[in-house]
Amino acid sequence: AQKVTQAQTEISVVEKEDVTLDCVYETRDTTYYLFWYKQPPSGELVFLIRRNSFDEQNEISGRYSWNFQKSTSSFNFTITASQVVDSAVYFCALSEDPNTGGFKTIFGAGTRLFVKA
Amino acid sequence: IAGITQAPTSQILAAGRRMTLRCTQDMRHNAMYWYRQDLGLGLRLIHYSNTAGTTGKGEVPDGYSVSRANTDDFPLTLASAVPSQTSVYFCASTHRDRSCDTQYFGPGTRLTVL
Repeated sequence: AQKVTQAQTEISVVEKEDVTLDCVYETRDTTYYLFWYKQPPSGELVFLIRRNSFDEQNEISGRYSWNFQKSTSSFNFTITASQVVDSAVYFCALSEDPNTGGFKTIFGAGTRLFVKA
Repeated sequence: IAGITQAPTSQILAAGRRMTLRCTQDMRHNAMYWYRQDLGLGLRLIHYSNTAGTTGKGEVPDGYSVSRANTDDFPLTLASAVPSQTSVYFCASTHRDRSCDTQYFGPGTRLTVL
């Protein structure tokens, strides 16, 4: 069965610090998709990134970077030089291959990030 | 409209009443989803639809039903609401293929069942 674990419930950092949000997943599929979403205090869900299981290249987008390691079933998210606007709940999610079981996405419980000025 | 809309924004409902949450997208996405968000549990998939005319059960489908009569609309119905269905409900859509898959979420519906 699929499972996504975000062990960090809350993280608090001071502005300009780097912070890494952990995500560990479980799946029996060989082809799957991993996601990160941001939910700011306003409540909407914002898509950040999607990775395919067959593409382990790390990705950098501005101050955001993602480290995908199939060997440890992890898809960690790092924010460099954090800012107050980064304060939000971040969700990691896993989706199975659409050619097998259908479009089902499992979310982790989320990590609440507080960035203090 | 652009993106996904949900209605109502919030609702207080008496237990036992029937309620339909509406979701409409104008992006011609083939896949649509309903999630509920509860504190400490993240988002849990209720039902999904790969294409118009098909639906499937997610993690927590009991007490909910959906239909997908066309590409744009994906209503979620609570036939007889219970207090445990108090939650924030998010609708999402995406165009699922191997090359491109961005999930877009609606603004959410906050439902309270008394």
